[in-house]
Amino acid sequence: AQSVSQHNHHVILSEAASLELGCNYSYGGTVNLFWYVQYPGQHLQLLLKYFSGDPLVKGIKGFEAEFIKSKFSFNLRKPSVQWSDTAEYFCAVKFGTGGYNKLIFGAGTRLAVHP
Amino acid sequence: GAVVSQHPSRVICKSGTSVKIECRSLDFQATTMFWYRQFPKQSLMLMATSNEGSKATYEQGVEKDKFLINHASLTLSTLTVTSAHPEDSSFYICSAPTGTNTEAFFGQGTRLTVV
Repeated sequence: AQSVSQHNHHVILSEAASLELGCNYSYGGTVNLFWYVQYPGQHLQLLLKYFSGDPLVKGIKGFEAEFIKSKFSFNLRKPSVQWSDTAEYFCAVKFGTGGYNKLIFGAGTRLAVHP
Repeated sequence: GAVVSQHPSRVICKSGTSVKIECRSLDFQATTMFWYRQFPKQSLMLMATSNEGSKATYEQGVEKDKFLINHASLTLSTLTVTSAHPEDSSFYICSAPTGTNTEAFFGQGTRLTVV
């Protein structure tokens, strides 16, 4: 079955620390990959997406992610986190090509950044 | 980016009653919308795909007679939770893509509490 795994459920960091959140999916075919962020009390916002091309994707707010096809991974990174990055982060995958984006979500990672 | 609006943001209803949740695409037309359910501290689970002018497609395990979906126009999809019970209490989120192979935009969600 197609699935998305996020390895870290809770991450606590100090400001200026580096961040890496893992995301793996189970599927050997073409995928579209997304990272969404959900700030407390707000709706989901897109951080970045990968459809094709350069596997290193840069998103908003200094986030980036790298698609490694051989590892079925799309890990999210930020070199220096800020207190305002405290939020929940979801990796999402659209399996297969064409059509509309029916997304399968990972379990989410709750990030807390302390000043 | 495109805007998707959900209404209401919160609703409390009595057990046995029905509740309708609206999802509107405000500045684009959406022939397809998606309905998700998010339990506390868990990820988003896709419930169904709403198709304008045709029947919704439900994910495995989702009761179509309990969760009625109507995609009345290119900018409106509704989810009706019929004969609601306390176990239906959850956070319901809709999303709408602006086209094929594009990102999906999410509504702000509706928190349903059944008492």
